[in-house]
Amino acid sequence: DGGITQSPKYLFRKEGQNVTLSCEQNLNHDAMYWYRQDPGQGLRLIYYSQIVNDFQKGDIAEGYSVSREKKESFPLTVTSAQKNPTAFYLCASSMVQGGSPLHFGNGTRLTVT
Amino acid sequence: AQSVSQHNHHVILSEAASLELGCNYSYGGTVNLFWYVQYPGQHLQLLLKYFSGDPLVKGIKGFEAEFIKSKFSFNLRKPSVQWSDTAEYFCAVTNTNAGKSTFGDGTTLTVKP
Repeated sequence: DGGITQSPKYLFRKEGQNVTLSCEQNLNHDAMYWYRQDPGQGLRLIYYSQIVNDFQKGDIAEGYSVSREKKESFPLTVTSAQKNPTAFYLCASSMVQGGSPLHFGNGTRLTVT
Repeated sequence: AQSVSQHNHHVILSEAASLELGCNYSYGGTVNLFWYVQYPGQHLQLLLKYFSGDPLVKGIKGFEAEFIKSKFSFNLRKPSVQWSDTAEYFCAVTNTNAGKSTFGDGTTLTVKP
């Protein structure tokens, strides 16, 4: 089955540590996205990439970094500079053309203490 | 910058009641419009989309939405809700030039049996 795999489902880290969230897709989509979901705030775009080796900042990129070395993979690193890292993180992918709908993974819940 | 506003944060209905969830967006250019749904314990999935043509679009599970360009609105409707419609609903707009989606804050729908 084609889809998006995010791992792990739950992640716990101590404050001051960087942590990397995995996102893999086998839908052959060119575009990939990272969103952060907080209660009552909907989904906010962190980073997105429309082609390998290129990515753009979203609305809340500070304290995060990404890479896009392969079409299938778009890992997100939450750095120690992110002031409020505890959240639910969603990865998505889509075709690039004409506002194609997003396909979402199941998400990773990160808790930083 | 584009933005999306969902007017109802939490809606509670009895089964068989009619549903209308409001969504307004702000962006002057060409957009594609979406409603996504997140059932409890499941990943976000597409409910329906509008690209062009007939402003009344039909989606899965009896949902429909009407695009009113003059009002910058894309309200979601269902004539008779079921208990299984209990979920969180997100309206999203994609700027066809930038290729990234902006989401509303979401509406939690609770349907009482």
